[in-house]
Amino acid sequence: AQSVTQPDIHITVSEGASLELRCNYSYGATPYLFWYVQSPGQGLQLLLKYFSGDTLVQGIKGFEAEFKRSQSSFNLRKPSVHWSDAAEYFCAVGAGYKLSFGAGTTVTVRA
Amino acid sequence: NAGVTQTPKFRVLKTGQSMTLLCAQDMNHEYMYWYRQDPGMGLRLIHYSVGEGTTAKGEVPDGYNVSRLKKQNFLLGLESAAPSQTSVYFCASSLDRTPQDTQYFGPGTRLTVL
Repeated sequence: AQSVTQPDIHITVSEGASLELRCNYSYGATPYLFWYVQSPGQGLQLLLKYFSGDTLVQGIKGFEAEFKRSQSSFNLRKPSVHWSDAAEYFCAVGAGYKLSFGAGTTVTVRA
Repeated sequence: NAGVTQTPKFRVLKTGQSMTLLCAQDMNHEYMYWYRQDPGMGLRLIHYSVGEGTTAKGEVPDGYNVSRLKKQNFLLGLESAAPSQTSVYFCASSLDRTPQDTQYFGPGTRLTVL
């Protein structure tokens, strides 16, 4: 069965500082991995996805993620956070209509 | 393009009441999904549809019914609401079933069952 673990429930980061969100997955075959962001009161928006090729994936809003098969991880990073990055972030694994989401990590940005 | 829209945005029900949530998409997507989001649990798939006239059960289907009479609409029904169904409900759609296909989400419906 496929599953996703996001170890950090809540992260607080200063504006301008770097951010890294952890994601560990369990999947029986080649994983298809996604990061979504949910701003307060909004639906989920896709930040980036990985399904093959270069293990470093660039996304929108200055985010990137690195796929590490040996560690079953797909961590999300941003070099310098902005106040508008305060949101909840979800990692998901799966294929097509069978996506499994992690519980999410809430990011708070302090001035 | 409006993308994926959901109606209503908020609703309060009493135990035992029924209601229908409407999801509409204008992207001509084949696949549509209903999820519920609960604190600390991420999103869980309730039901999904692979095309007009088809529906299938997801991870947590009990207490819900769905219908996809038109390609652009996907309805989620609660016949007899229970407090355990208090949640935020998200609809999503995707073009087809290729593994890398992106699901596009609506803004959500916040449902409270008293």
